Parts: sequence; structure tokens; C-alpha cells
Amino acid sequence: GQNIDQPTEMTATEGAIVQINCTYQTSGFNGLFWYQQHAGEAPTFLSYNVLDGLEEKGRFSSFLSRSKGYSYLLLKELQMKDSASYLCAPDRDDKIIFGKGTRLHILP
Amino acid sequence: DAMVIQNPRYQVTQFGKPVTLSCSQTLNHNVMYWYQQKSSQAPKLLFHYYDKDFNNEADTPDNFQSRRPNTSFCFLDIRSPGLGDAAMYLCATSRDRFREGNNEQFFGPGTRLTVL
Repeated sequence: GQNIDQPTEMTATEGAIVQINCTYQTSGFNGLFWYQQHAGEAPTFLSYNVLDGLEEKGRFSSFLSRSKGYSYLLLKELQMKDSASYLCAPDRDDKIIFGKGTRLHILP
Repeated sequence: DAMVIQNPRYQVTQFGKPVTLSCSQTLNHNVMYWYQQKSSQAPKLLFHYYDKDFNNEADTPDNFQSRRPNTSFCFLDIRSPGLGDAAMYLCATSRDRFREGNNEQFFGPGTRLTVL
């Protein structure tokens, strides 16, 4: 199966750090994407992890543990524009399966 | 420079009236995808084309069809839209299939379909 679990909503303060967790069960797993989606817009690519460990890209970092079926997205120095949904998306073979997303609210 | 273009951005149709949504890409990518996304839900893959090879998801209703006449264009046909088909329809492309490595998907802006 491809059960993908991530929190439905989170709230954080501007300038702070937030970690969005994702657990998944998928057969034939290859790697894991994180996408950002603002309300009413298309998803945009944030990161892709295929190896275990942390990959840092500016204010955003993504971590993967293949053996644990676990990933997280770390957002630093939060800005108001980071208010969006964050979609965890494992991939297998020819397609990726999106989780329902975590809606992140940023407070001033 | 638009890379994945969807037209129209907003589409209104009547219950049971066929409707076609279009997608074009300037990336020359091999794979094109159609997703359906309802409010507060994950994008749900309907089908995808790897070049001319059509791949339907097992739970995609027969009401949904697709055509890819060439590399650049892909169409989503809804033969008899029902009220439950009202959603955002997202087109995406990737250079190749995921088994060949990191194949980021590039999404179009989506078409929001309303069924009256």
C-alpha cells in the first residue's frame, strides 16, 4: 500500500523553524519528493531525496530514512510567504503518490 | 516563459455535457500526467503518457479519457461530467520515468472545472 501520513495542519511564527514529518509505506519505493502548494495554485518542486540523510537547500532541508519509511521537511527563518500546503510524495516506478499535505500557517 | 500551459484556467460545463481540457508543454518531456485535485485533498493521478504509451490508473472512472496527439499536447476528455467531477485538474510533465532517476514533475497552473 501507499499510506502516507503527515499532519493536517501546523502553525508557526515568522522567523522560527518548523519541521513537517511524513511517514509512508510503499512498495517499490525509489525516492521521495516534497512539493509546496499555495492555495489555488499548482504544486511546485522543493526537494527530492533518494539516499538516507539530510539535504539542505537554502532555508529548506529535507531528510530521508529509507529503513524507517520516514522523511521530514525543515523550514528555517520562516516568512509569511511560506504559508502553504506541503505535500510529501514518495515515488515508485512511473509515478509519484501525493499525501494530503500539511497546511502551514505562519503567524506574524 | 511558460513551460506547462493549461487552457482554459477556468471551465464551466453543464451536467452531462462533454468537456475537454488541454495541456501543452515547451519542455519536450517524454511523460505527461493528469491529476484531479479536490478541495483539501491530495492530487490524484488519473493517467499518464510515456511518449505514446498510455497508462491508466486502476480507479480512474471510464468517464475520463485522454489523448496525446504529439509530444507537446495532451488532452483530458470528460465524456459526461457529474457534479462530483468538479475539481482542479492539473497537468504535469517529467523528462522521463522515475526509474531513470530524479524526474521532477513540472506542473501547469491547473484548470478549475465547475459543473452546473
